[in-house]
Amino acid sequence: KNEVEQSPQNLTAQEGEFITINCSYSVGISALHWLQQHPGGGIVSLFMLSSGKKKHGRLIATINIQEKHSSLHITASHPRDSAVYICAVSGGANSKLTFGKGITLSVRP
Amino acid sequence: DAGVTQSPTHLIKTRGQQVTLRCSPKSGHDTVSWYQQALGQGPQFIFQYYEEEERQRGNFPDRFSGHQFPNYSSELNVNALLLGDSALYLCASSADRAFATPLHFGNGTRLTVT
Repeated sequence: KNEVEQSPQNLTAQEGEFITINCSYSVGISALHWLQQHPGGGIVSLFMLSSGKKKHGRLIATINIQEKHSSLHITASHPRDSAVYICAVSGGANSKLTFGKGITLSVRP
Repeated sequence: DAGVTQSPTHLIKTRGQQVTLRCSPKSGHDTVSWYQQALGQGPQFIFQYYEEEERQRGNFPDRFSGHQFPNYSSELNVNALLLGDSALYLCASSADRAFATPLHFGNGTRLTVT
């Protein structure tokens, strides 16, 4: 079993829809990262969470430490949100960063 | 303020050859980590450098080695290349070793081994 699992595997949405991407992990963590990767490879950091909830524009990220689960929400989705969304976790100092496989999101106009 | 820069952007090598990839971190960042991303997969952690030493390492063979210079820039070296080493190699810099601050990634080096 992978340490970081993301669901759904692929996601297609219509422009304007509310989108939720999930991330579950099986190890104790000190931080969880949500990353966005567009075709061509570049990765952009969206959020770094250790507890609670963060919001940036149309994006909201939440984490439940007890349930070992995080969600990334996109409100009023737009075709430019089409990308791969990757969840990564860290166990803190002296630990590595472990990634999920990523979710491919396609938003249709 | 320049972000993370990686060079080269693309590289084609033959099996058995050696390759060196380079990374310059974001200004103010002293920690550099390297990742391998195969097509259709999430990145895999290779190693992390801080104060010119390898601090953490993922499940990669000794053919993968690195270096960090006093200006915090870093190199990833891969010896005896295999076809399976073909991947996107990403570098990220951060302000701490525990990955508890936002990561800044370069655009990667696409390595093709033939």
